Amino acid sequence: AQTVTQSQPEMSVQEAETVTLSCTYDTSESDYYLFWYKQPPSRQMILVIRQEAYKQQNATENRFSVNFQKAAKSFSLKISDSQLGDAAMYFCAYRTPNSGGSNYKLTFGKGTLLTVNP
Amino acid sequence: KAGVTQTPRYLIKTRGQQVTLSCSPISGHRSVSWYQQTPGQGLQFLFEYFSETQRNKGNFPGRFSGRQFSNSRSEMNVSTLELGDSALYLCASSLGREANYGYTFGSGTRLTVV
Repeated sequence: AQTVTQSQPEMSVQEAETVTLSCTYDTSESDYYLFWYKQPPSRQMILVIRQEAYKQQNATENRFSVNFQKAAKSFSLKISDSQLGDAAMYFCAYRTPNSGGSNYKLTFGKGTLLTVNP
Repeated sequence: KAGVTQTPRYLIKTRGQQVTLSCSPISGHRSVSWYQQTPGQGLQFLFEYFSETQRNKGNFPGRFSGRQFSNSRSEMNVSTLELGDSALYLCASSLGREANYGYTFGSGTRLTVV
């Protein structure tokens, strides 16, 4: 079974600085998708960034980028120029493509609570 | 474009009762998934519906059930509520089952069982 581990329950960063959130996963699949979701106090899970495992290039979305190390099964999220609005719980999630199968679901890590200090 | 709408936002029920939660996906999205979020267990997959059929089910007892209507709206039902069912229930929708571009989540229904 696939598992996702986020080893940092809490992190803090100063406004305008950079922070990296860690995520590792365990899978025997070679083709899969990885996501980072953000959950602010409003409770809605918001997609931050996605990575396709067969693409070696690291995904970027504005101030958000990932360091995807497939062999190490690592998928860290870097937030540059941190803003107060970035404060939230961040979840790493894994999903297999498994075309034609029944395994269409996300497996989440336990989350990392990010605090941004002014 | 409206997002994923979940109703109600908050719900308080008594042990032994049953509850129905509703989810309206983004217009055009045909896949709806449900997740339970608790402080202890984190986010756990409940089930997924596509074209009115349950395609995948998580490891939850039979007290948890759901359905999807022809307009893709989905409901989940929990019967004989237990204290441990207190959680945030999140609904997520995607255009197709693959959801390779990710799911769009609603704001959830906070269920408290007393």
